[in-house]
Amino acid sequence: EPEVTQTPSHQVTQMGQEVILRCVPISNHLYFYWYRQILGQKVEFLVSFYNNEISEKSEIFDDQFSVERPDGSNFTLKIRSTKLEDSAMYFCASLQGRSMNTEAFFGQGTRLTVV
Amino acid sequence: DAKTTQPNSMESNEEEPVHLPCNHSTISGTDYIHWYRQLPSQGPEYVIHGLTSNVNNRMASLAIAEDRKSSTLILHRATLRDAAVYYCIRGSNYKLTFGKGTLLTVNP
Repeated sequence: EPEVTQTPSHQVTQMGQEVILRCVPISNHLYFYWYRQILGQKVEFLVSFYNNEISEKSEIFDDQFSVERPDGSNFTLKIRSTKLEDSAMYFCASLQGRSMNTEAFFGQGTRLTVV
Repeated sequence: DAKTTQPNSMESNEEEPVHLPCNHSTISGTDYIHWYRQLPSQGPEYVIHGLTSNVNNRMASLAIAEDRKSSTLILHRATLRDAAVYYCIRGSNYKLTFGKGTLLTVNP
């Protein structure tokens, strides 16, 4: 079965540091996503990415965040200067993209802890 | 805005069927109804989706009201491994927006 893989599974960083979260989506998928989930809260949409550009982003996805797909395989989320409130689980997902008549695949997440 | 309404929690006994309801009264004609679940400490996992007709797969069944304003996820025989948060999501514009979901507790 195809799967989305995320690395690292857990990242601890100091406030103000930059972090890069990595994802390998499913190879023939067209849409890629980042979501986050603060402990005990719901899964929140951050950004969607299609055709090598951002197709939609939420209010959470401010200038501190960026995404890229540098090599056609990896899909990364960068947080430039982490804050304590960025501590959360971050999930990557991919969708085949022909329509919504298909399932999205989610990774197991990266737990980011900002200290 | 998830635009779906689900009960916060439900409880079931092992081996019994579970019916998880969802209201999506403002759904548009092209929105698919998706269900995902999230087991403790894991990423969301696809369960089932549909547009108008009822759907069955190896995990569950999805019953969609004729007017599409509501749907019900049916787990035919709940097991302890089905304990999770179940999300009913309107799939539109290539985006899935999660609400708070229903926390399903399965009693042995």
